[in-house]
Amino acid sequence: ETGVTQTPRHLVMGMTNKKSLKCEQHLGHNAMYWYKQSAKKPLELMFVYSLEERVENNSVPSRFSPECPNSSHLFLHLHTLQPEDSALYLCASSQDIGGRDTEAFFGQGTRLTVV
Amino acid sequence: RKEVEQDPGPFNVPEGATVAFNCTYSNSASQSFFWYRQDCRKEPKLLMSVYSSGNEDGRFTAQLNRASQYISLLIRDSKLSDSATYLCVVNERTYKYIFGTGTRLKVLA
Repeated sequence: ETGVTQTPRHLVMGMTNKKSLKCEQHLGHNAMYWYKQSAKKPLELMFVYSLEERVENNSVPSRFSPECPNSSHLFLHLHTLQPEDSALYLCASSQDIGGRDTEAFFGQGTRLTVV
Repeated sequence: RKEVEQDPGPFNVPEGATVAFNCTYSNSASQSFFWYRQDCRKEPKLLMSVYSSGNEDGRFTAQLNRASQYISLLIRDSKLSDSATYLCVVNERTYKYIFGTGTRLKVLA
């Protein structure tokens, strides 16, 4: 295991539902990320938190709302999603942001299907 | 031009073959480079970092060419278990890890 845990692993939700994705890292890292991976596309960065402060909101629609209550936990709150939001949502962490040769460690992802 | 470009493949090679992938990046200010491996429906996992002088880890060799802005991954003596998608990742020494679309490798028995 990579030390980054995501729940749930699979989620099916209707367009009017509200749900949350959870990520927890046990690596003592200071930075956490949300990525979206759609078929045939590269991973797209959604949000970045460093020491619980958001440093990037990459033009993500407001129906996605991140929350970082502490440096070990990251949430992604979902509401009124669209079918095109169906994708694999990956959480990652790294020791810090901006460090040379600092790799990111990924959770196993939540496969989201919006019906 | 895409920030990170990779040939999507698939590369179909027999067991024991040597295979190489290239990846080009557009930002000359990029500082850190990685190869990740992603199995079907799984998360990306770090395969190796890529250092300026090149580095080797067992059957895997990574090279960086800053002048031409590309990195490469060489796999020797391919195993069936090497079948996966290989993601090129570039970091500009910020929080942005930029991913390529990945190159699919199939090692055939």
